[in-house]
Amino acid sequence: DAGITQSPRHKVTETGTPVTLRCHQTENHRYMYWYRQDPGHGLRLIHYSYGVKDTDKGEVSDGYSVSRSKTEDFLLTLESATSSQTSVYFCAISEWHRDGYTFGSGTRLTVV
Amino acid sequence: AQKVTQAQTEISVVEKEDVTLDCVYETRDTTYYLFWYKQPPSGELVFLIRRNSFDEQNEISGRYSWNFQKSTSSFNFTITASQVVDSAVYFCALNTGTASKLTFGTGTRLQVTL
Repeated sequence: DAGITQSPRHKVTETGTPVTLRCHQTENHRYMYWYRQDPGHGLRLIHYSYGVKDTDKGEVSDGYSVSRSKTEDFLLTLESATSSQTSVYFCAISEWHRDGYTFGSGTRLTVV
Repeated sequence: AQKVTQAQTEISVVEKEDVTLDCVYETRDTTYYLFWYKQPPSGELVFLIRRNSFDEQNEISGRYSWNFQKSTSSFNFTITASQVVDSAVYFCALNTGTASKLTFGTGTRLQVTL
């Protein structure tokens, strides 16, 4: 059983529309993260959470917002999708921020 | 600020060759943690190892070994007798004692052919 799941796995959306990606965990881990992966850039942190309703920005947070109303769910919202947000998005969890992360399977988002 | 540099973008080797993936990091913190992750063609990210800044002992796990040298700020990863299944993108990452997040390098794509 996967301790972390992302939905949807694939999405195509139009420029200017809002999009929400969901990350769900069953491990009761405190920390949750959203990264994006782009060629030549590796993985870059968008936002992270260190508890329910406790979130902070990463290095590429512009155009994104997050919410965590329950321990198990961490939502990433693209307020008005742009083509530059076409990417693969990974969610990750960890019990302690210095631990190795467990990553979800990723969401491939295409903005046309 | 923290930074991870993986200067090798792509490496191609023939099966059974040994290969070393380089990782150089930058941080001003004295307490930090270094990681390696593997991303096979299927796309998932797999945790391989964590090493803290107080432990410079090299680690060996089967065909994998890691060489941590604080003097050169490097945490290199060697695969001995490479196999086709080792073909993947490998990421090095850094977490400092004061940060709550991993900083990743840009990754090294390893291609192992028969």
